[in-house]
Amino acid sequence: DAKTTQPTSMDCAEGRAANLPCNHSTISGNEYVYWYRQIHSQGPQYIIHGLKNNETNEMASLIITEDRKSSTLILPHATLRDTAVYYCIVRALSSNTGKLIFGQGTTLQVKP
Amino acid sequence: DAGVTQSPTHLIKTRGQQVTLRCSPKSGHDTVSWYQQALGQGPQFIFQYYEEEERQRGNFPDRFSGHQYPNYSSELNVNALLLGDSALYLCASSSGFMETQYFGPGTRLLVL
Repeated sequence: DAKTTQPTSMDCAEGRAANLPCNHSTISGNEYVYWYRQIHSQGPQYIIHGLKNNETNEMASLIITEDRKSSTLILPHATLRDTAVYYCIVRALSSNTGKLIFGQGTTLQVKP
Repeated sequence: DAGVTQSPTHLIKTRGQQVTLRCSPKSGHDTVSWYQQALGQGPQFIFQYYEEEERQRGNFPDRFSGHQYPNYSSELNVNALLLGDSALYLCASSSGFMETQYFGPGTRLLVL
């Protein structure tokens, strides 16, 4: 079972920041938060991951709360090509946890 | 630098038949994971191969089997196909079983 809770869908205006929330209240100390997105009929695309510090790369920023029970993925200037299903996944990096457990994700619709 | 590649892109089979799907990992990656994604659902983990051995398996029947070759490429075999096996089959590779997984475009299988 997925360990995360995400809203089913969200809308965002093109050019504005898209803020996608994720709750992971049962996260353990050794579990990372990963974000992937899946554009229709394509394979999931890795976006970013983090443990407890905020992270930023060329695609997005990841903000993790101090208690690590929730996080927010930020797309700073959303474009129509960012329309996709966004998956938030918690994953412990140990020898027994090769798999990713996907939930239903958030469908982000970027509108002109 | 080629990413993860999968073949074929689409496949149509009939019930009871057998199918083999192929995956070439990203350059420098030695671990391959397979996922099944039914329509409208998130990907579900099938199994993971590392050093030519299955090291972790999800909740899939023995009809699903795999192989990894010395060059790290991998195959997914499904025997006695059922209608419910119709799905997008995704391959992901990583440089070690605990590292970030990068997905291929998938193979869409339709069982009639």
